[in-house]
Amino acid sequence: QQQVKQSPQSLIVQKGGISIINCAYENTAFDYFPWYQQFPGKGPALLIAIRPDVSEKKEGRFTISFNKSAKQFSLHIMDSQPGDSATYFCAASMNPSDSNYQLIWGAGTKLIIKP
Amino acid sequence: DGGITQSPKYLFRKEGQNVTLSCEQNLNHDAMYWYRQDPGQGLRLIYYSQIVNDFQKGDIAEGYSVSREKKESFPLTVTSAQKNPTAFYLCASSPGHYNEQFFGPGTRLTVL
Repeated sequence: QQQVKQSPQSLIVQKGGISIINCAYENTAFDYFPWYQQFPGKGPALLIAIRPDVSEKKEGRFTISFNKSAKQFSLHIMDSQPGDSATYFCAASMNPSDSNYQLIWGAGTKLIIKP
Repeated sequence: DGGITQSPKYLFRKEGQNVTLSCEQNLNHDAMYWYRQDPGQGLRLIYYSQIVNDFQKGDIAEGYSVSREKKESFPLTVTSAQKNPTAFYLCASSPGHYNEQFFGPGTRLTVL
């Protein structure tokens, strides 16, 4: 119940295309869903996050879509650029008072944008 | 400049040696974490700490030890009991609000 399942493991998209990465969870107590971006040899950095009271959040070319009934959330990267090539991690957590501040991480998706 | 620093960036260890990885933050965050990342893998939690002088084991704590004597510092010791320590080690901190975690640049540990 604590798992977050991420797919695909790797993804190749042409420049200008839409990149879509999906995550699914079981624990309905999760109430915070961030996406992190990691470049080789660097630490991950928060990209965008969503709470379950909204179905979509957009920041520039990055959008999170959230489907509470299906217990799924996804990251969409519009107009994908070579500089977006990185590994993307989804994660989830419960209310801080219940979770000891822990994030449950997906396994990651290696995204390659072809010029 | 606020942030998280980790040192060293690269570390080489002989078998049987203990080594300590440094993590310092000046973000005034309560919570700090240590993760291990293996090539092509996700992040696995080693230890975490919510407050000074308190820490909890994560999913893969065996062979590792930590201390939290100051809010700013959360060093990780990789002991000789850790059989396969070669990995990329990441330290993170969190203000505790909606659990955002901010990561340091990482330490790459190699056992010779």
